[in-house]
Amino acid sequence: KAGVTQTPRYLIKTRGQQVTLSCSPISGHRSVSWYQQTPGQGLQFLFEYFSETQRNKGNFPGRFSGRQFSNSRSEMNVSTLELGDSALYLCASSLDRATGQPQHFGDGTRLSIL
Amino acid sequence: QKEVEQDPGPLSVPEGAIVSLNCTYSNSAFQYFMWYRQYSRKGPELLMYTYSSGNKEDGRFTAQVDKSSKYISLFIRDSQPSDSATYLCAMSYQGAQKLVFGQGTRLTINP
Repeated sequence: KAGVTQTPRYLIKTRGQQVTLSCSPISGHRSVSWYQQTPGQGLQFLFEYFSETQRNKGNFPGRFSGRQFSNSRSEMNVSTLELGDSALYLCASSLDRATGQPQHFGDGTRLSIL
Repeated sequence: QKEVEQDPGPLSVPEGAIVSLNCTYSNSAFQYFMWYRQYSRKGPELLMYTYSSGNKEDGRFTAQVDKSSKYISLFIRDSQPSDSATYLCAMSYQGAQKLVFGQGTRLTINP
């Protein structure tokens, strides 16, 4: 069974640009969450999507947004990129939102802002 | 104060040693506790997943949760060089998909 797939693996952008990252969850998984990982702040929750609706959101500015499609694939978008947005962006999927469903992570997209 | 505290290490032990990794937390509402292993340039890999207090064993790995002390542990027996990685504790509230992570402990097992 294929795991969580994230594309692209690496991305270089400049300040002020926008970027879209893609996530394909494990087959059959319907909940997708996004996290940001940096050396200083560690892993921080961005948002969660289920049934094409955002269900939960972390403490990030509105420049960070996402969406989920009917096949459960998800994208996240960051607009007006800042140097501090350089990070590893991780997507995780779980079967559904039922209590106790573990999350499985992809290998992430490493975003570098010049 | 962070909700979840984890000693970042680094921790270096000889092959075959028993490794103990720990996290403390401040919010008693956490109900689900996880340990993830992350190799360089890879995403976190789920190792152990427990609900509420108690012990869970899987091969060389044992996870312990003590809710009264707000303390969780991961023990690795007969450690191998392939266990060298960053270990992340994570926890979540009842009914929530949001995971709150510790900073991660970088572990090196020396042959």
